[in-house]
Amino acid sequence: NAGVMQNPRHLVRRRGQEARLRCSPVKGHSHVYWYRQLPEEGLKFMVYLQKENIIDESGMPKERFSAEFPKEGPSILRIQQVVRGDSAAYFCASSTNSIGDYGYTFGSGTRLTVV
Amino acid sequence: GDSVTQMEGPVTLSEEAFLTINCTYTATGYPSLFWYVQYPGEGLQLLLKATKADDKGSNKGFEATYRKETTSFHLEKGSVQVSDSAVYFCALSDRGNTGKLIFGQGTTLQVKP
Repeated sequence: NAGVMQNPRHLVRRRGQEARLRCSPVKGHSHVYWYRQLPEEGLKFMVYLQKENIIDESGMPKERFSAEFPKEGPSILRIQQVVRGDSAAYFCASSTNSIGDYGYTFGSGTRLTVV
Repeated sequence: GDSVTQMEGPVTLSEEAFLTINCTYTATGYPSLFWYVQYPGEGLQLLLKATKADDKGSNKGFEATYRKETTSFHLEKGSVQVSDSAVYFCALSDRGNTGKLIFGQGTTLQVKP
């Protein structure tokens, strides 16, 4: 009964490179959320996706960031031309619906370090 | 917009002490309320939740009651253990809208033997 799987756990990128973060939701969950946690801060919503659709991307920077959740395979958060300010922990959560009555299952996160 | 405010930490307690972490919220509509716990280097784990006014969520000795009149969801535990040391996040979700979670800034709890 696997939970939300995120990989890699740790990712180091040089400034200007691309970062790809993967999230496999709980089996049967069709709603995926991405959050970013800056050091010593709470989590901030980035984007909400359902299969093949971006529902709400109001928390995602307009430039360099993109997300997808294809029909097959994991959800991907992509950061192009990374900068030092992108260094953070990125968490994915999945759920069965958008009501939240059953809570949301979080992955262990990907810790991105930009050097 | 919707927001969550938690008491600032760190909170340092001796083992078996009583714990309260305050959480208040601002929201339109009727959100669901959650407490999540984060251990070092790990993701968030759902601790407890409440989906409507006067509901009490409870788990592992922790409790919180959804108080609509005071817009609060304070976390309590009667007797903390060293293993409870972690960061605790209060959050709300906009039910039926997008369901995204809005988090407080987190409160670090350190329990000493």
